Amino acid sequence: GAVVSQHPSWVICKSGTSVKIECRSLDFQATTMFWYRQFPKQSLMLMATSNEGSKATYEQGVEKDKFLINHASLTLSTLTVTSAHPEDSSFYICSAKRGRLTGELFFGEGSRLTVL
Amino acid sequence: AQKVTQAQTEISVVEKEDVTLDCVYETRDTTYYLFWYKQPPSGELVFLIRRNSFDEQNEISGRYSWNFQKSTSSFNFTITASQVVDSAVYFCALSEAYPGANNLFFGTGTRLTVIP
Repeated sequence: GAVVSQHPSWVICKSGTSVKIECRSLDFQATTMFWYRQFPKQSLMLMATSNEGSKATYEQGVEKDKFLINHASLTLSTLTVTSAHPEDSSFYICSAKRGRLTGELFFGEGSRLTVL
Repeated sequence: AQKVTQAQTEISVVEKEDVTLDCVYETRDTTYYLFWYKQPPSGELVFLIRRNSFDEQNEISGRYSWNFQKSTSSFNFTITASQVVDSAVYFCALSEAYPGANNLFFGTGTRLTVIP
């Protein structure tokens, strides 16, 4: 099956620093990628939809300036958590959509962010 | 609006018992996809099944089976002869099926613990 890779799988940072998480589709081109956030013992919540070559579409309540998303190529989307605070600690998961019509989604392994 | 309800927050079973995870959904779309994902403690999402709304046939894959009942808007998941490795959080999800459709709407998940 298709493979989506996230890096890093876990990161610990100090409050106030910025952290970048990468999401790569390894064997297919993904014009659309999605970023989800998951708090402990909770469901996945969509943060934003990332389209290659255009600005990301953010869900209501998600701060655009806080969570910067860049989809610079058909195989890479990045999520940057700027000026991270402890409340940003969470599990972030990306998914990539293979094909424009089929809507088949493939998920990355997730990235666990801990802000001290 | 789309909504997925997984009423069972946590289930514990003894190894070798059968267990059914419930999923009820709401959508105004006539065409949609339903999914089940497994999230083991390591955090990644493991795809289990995707079912098109036009295909109401039940499916069996090894110890896993799915019962899709359009009349009751349910898509239940049964694990037969459960094993400790089945311990995980299981998410049911729904997506629109038209070309260009994007988001997955997740249920809140059911945490399954299989006791040896």
